[in-house]
Order: sequence, then C-alpha cells, then structure tokens
Amino acid sequence: GQQVMQIPQYQHVQEGEDFTTYCNSSTTLSNIQWYKQRPGGHPVFLIQLVKSGEVKKQKRLTFQFGEAKKNSSLHITATQTTDVGTYFCAGIFLIQGAQKLVFGQGTRLTINP
Amino acid sequence: DGGITQSPKYLFRKEGQNVTLSCEQNLNHDAMYWYRQDPGQGLRLIYYSQIVNDFQKGDIAEGYSVSREKKESFPLTVTSAQKNPTAFYLCASSSPGQAQVYGYTFGSGTRLTVV
Repeated sequence: GQQVMQIPQYQHVQEGEDFTTYCNSSTTLSNIQWYKQRPGGHPVFLIQLVKSGEVKKQKRLTFQFGEAKKNSSLHITATQTTDVGTYFCAGIFLIQGAQKLVFGQGTRLTINP
Repeated sequence: DGGITQSPKYLFRKEGQNVTLSCEQNLNHDAMYWYRQDPGQGLRLIYYSQIVNDFQKGDIAEGYSVSREKKESFPLTVTSAQKNPTAFYLCASSSPGQAQVYGYTFGSGTRLTVV
C-alpha cells in the first residue's frame, strides 16, 4: 500500500536553532500537506504543496516539494518555544479517481528555552 | 463558529463492550474521516465517507463500523472484535474544492481506554 516515511521521529533543539523534518514516498504523490499537532491537541493544517519543485514560506517556516513529487521537507528557522509539537506530512495519492491522504509518522519537536 | 465536535473527550471501555464515538460537523463538508493515532505511529485511516449513505474501509477497518445517515454526522463504533482499541481517535472532514487552502479539519479527539 501507499506509505509516507518521515524522519527524524524526534528532534530536540535549543531555542534559536533551526529544525528540519523530511518526508519520502516510494511512489509519486499528487500533492502533500503539512500539519502541526501541539501536545495534547489535534492536527492543524499548515499548508498544501501541489507543483513539482514548489517552495512556500510562512514566516519562519519553509516548505519544499521535490522535483519528482516523491519527497518534501519542512524547515523552521530560529525555533521558538511556540514551535513545540509534532509535525506531520500527509501525502495525497490518487486511487481510482479518489484522493487518499496518508500520514507520515510525524516528527516530535521539543525545544530547550 | 464552524467546526467538528467529537464526544466524549475520554471514554473507558470494558473488555467485550461495543462503544460509539460521536463526530458532528457544521462546516457543510461532504467528506468525513476517522483516524486512529498511537504513539510514534502517526495517523492511520479507519473509515472514510465522501457522501451521505456511502463509506469505505481505510487501512485498519477491522473491528470498527461506521454509518453516514446525515451529512453532519459520522459516528464510529469500536466493536468487541477490535483487540487493541486503546488509542486516540480523531475525526476529520474536508471539502474537495477547499482542501488546497484549508486541508482537513480535525476534531479535538476522543481518548479511548480499555479497562
């Protein structure tokens, strides 16, 4: 079946350091979405990437979609304590005309103030 | 305010019991989903429904059942056949035309524990 692998599983940084999480799929994705889940909370949609090689920015967050549409990354510049949480990528596959969202395992980010 | 309401927030189930988790949305979304979240494993799809009176199995449907009699409601029943039901259950909804901007909207979840 469709799988999306995400690494690392955990990342601990000092406040002010950068952070990156990576997603990979063995098959081509239609689109990819990114979500953030705060501790004890539920996933909240951040962004969707559609085009090959696409790069989008949201303040300190930079999202990239690979040229082959099989990988993606989220980079946070100069982390702040408000960035704490688990970041999930979710690959969208087209299955018999329907979209199926498959989540990566998530990267849990903790920050030392 | 529009959103998804899941209830209860916490649920305790005895061995052999069936329990039903509620999910209601007032976003006028056509599609609704149930995910299960276990520590370190991300979210796994249980069932999804793209339209009223229709639903499909996801990747881990065994031991679960759903219904979609109304657009707003998509309850999930965890049956006694589900051998390891302790998990965090998340309901989500989406509108195909708006997914690129808004993605999936999630409820606040139900934490189910077998006692």
